[in-house]
Amino acid sequence: SQTIHQWPATLVQPVGSPLSLECTVEGTSNPNLYWYRQAAGRGLQLLFYSVGIGQISSEVPQNLSASRPQDRQFILSSKKLLLSDSGFYLCAWRRFRGRGPGYTFGSGTRLTVV
Amino acid sequence: TQLLEQSPQFLSIQEGENLTVYCNSSSVFSSLQWYRQEPGEGPVLLVTVVTGGEVKKLKRLTFQFGDARKDSSLHITAAQPGDTGLYLCALKTQGGSEKLVFGKGTKLTVNP
Repeated sequence: SQTIHQWPATLVQPVGSPLSLECTVEGTSNPNLYWYRQAAGRGLQLLFYSVGIGQISSEVPQNLSASRPQDRQFILSSKKLLLSDSGFYLCAWRRFRGRGPGYTFGSGTRLTVV
Repeated sequence: TQLLEQSPQFLSIQEGENLTVYCNSSSVFSSLQWYRQEPGEGPVLLVTVVTGGEVKKLKRLTFQFGDARKDSSLHITAAQPGDTGLYLCALKTQGGSEKLVFGKGTKLTVNP
């Protein structure tokens, strides 16, 4: 069965420090991968998505970047965090083509920038 | 402009009551998904609705897709504390690489 792992679960980082959040998927190949951010009291905002290794699409201009060094690995990064980067970050995957279940989300990373 | 509007934003009810939450769009969409998210967790897919007028039931939850495929509703019968959570609707944009766009959600609290 397919599973998605996301870590760490919580993170407190000072302003100006770097960031690296990792997401991996097991049990499938060539998935579409997504990074979402959820601010308190708001819905999910799509940050990045990827349809293959090295293929990254950015949805909104921001202080973050994403990379996909392997088929089932998706990394969210920042060189210097801002206070506004605080939020709940969610990784998700879906099968590349065809019908099937919807998006499957990881358990999220709660990032607090102080 | 918010592609999907969900209402109400917050809902607090007593155990055993019925409730309905809504998801509306100004555009026609091909399919819509409902998710439930518990605090500190990622959203979990409940259902996908595709056909205008479609009704799907999941135990005490009834999902309906509007005839014009621009709105959807979720009705919960005899709510229980375990139904507490954030209910999100989402639609998939088509063309190129598909993406999932979410509404802001309805935060439901069912009090025992």
